Amino acid sequence: GAGVSQSPSNKVTEKGKDVELRCDPISGHTALYWYRQSLGQGLEFLIYFQGNSAPDKSGLPSDRFSAERTGGSVSTLTIQRTQQEDSAVYLCASSLGTGGRGAQHFGDGTRLSIL
Amino acid sequence: SQQGEEDPQALSIQEGENATMNCSYKTSINNLQWYRQNSGRGLVHLILIRSNEREKHSGRLRVTLDTSKKSSSLLITASRADTASYFCATGLSGNTPLVFGKGTRLSVIA
Repeated sequence: GAGVSQSPSNKVTEKGKDVELRCDPISGHTALYWYRQSLGQGLEFLIYFQGNSAPDKSGLPSDRFSAERTGGSVSTLTIQRTQQEDSAVYLCASSLGTGGRGAQHFGDGTRLSIL
Repeated sequence: SQQGEEDPQALSIQEGENATMNCSYKTSINNLQWYRQNSGRGLVHLILIRSNEREKHSGRLRVTLDTSKKSSSLLITASRADTASYFCATGLSGNTPLVFGKGTRLSVIA
């Protein structure tokens, strides 16, 4: 596709369940990022993939959060044993490498609600 | 604390007026970027200014960068359908991702 695609657009689940969020980056973009945005707030960095390098996981808030990027393309963010404080919009972005400081292209996010 | 902080947090102007938002940061940067976010959507990249540049234009947007004061401003002239949140993001050296501020919420009143 022409842009970054995220699915699902909305997810409602019960506390304690696991969720998987998917991101399809722009073809050819070697860098992929996950962010979390709470209502009316800025972006909280979660994780950054750059090519075949080990991902920068420094922003993951707990060991319940993990992410994979298969084949250098699609990425999934998994949250295990969800808690109510996990409710937020999860945004994915991709860019043409350049050490993480290039212009990023965002998807429209997954709005996650934990009941 | 945040690397980039926007000021003001919220701004309301009349259609046709200019809007100015500011961003301050703390450490040396490689570049500074501005993004726009419409309600319920992802961020859209507006403009990138490198640390050795002082001013940059794109359509109705004008960005300035003062590295001695560690600050940047975004000017939107003749505002119209510009209601959105605007974020600055700093690009650092090395293999580190952008650091985003908390944003300025701009409301343009018709």
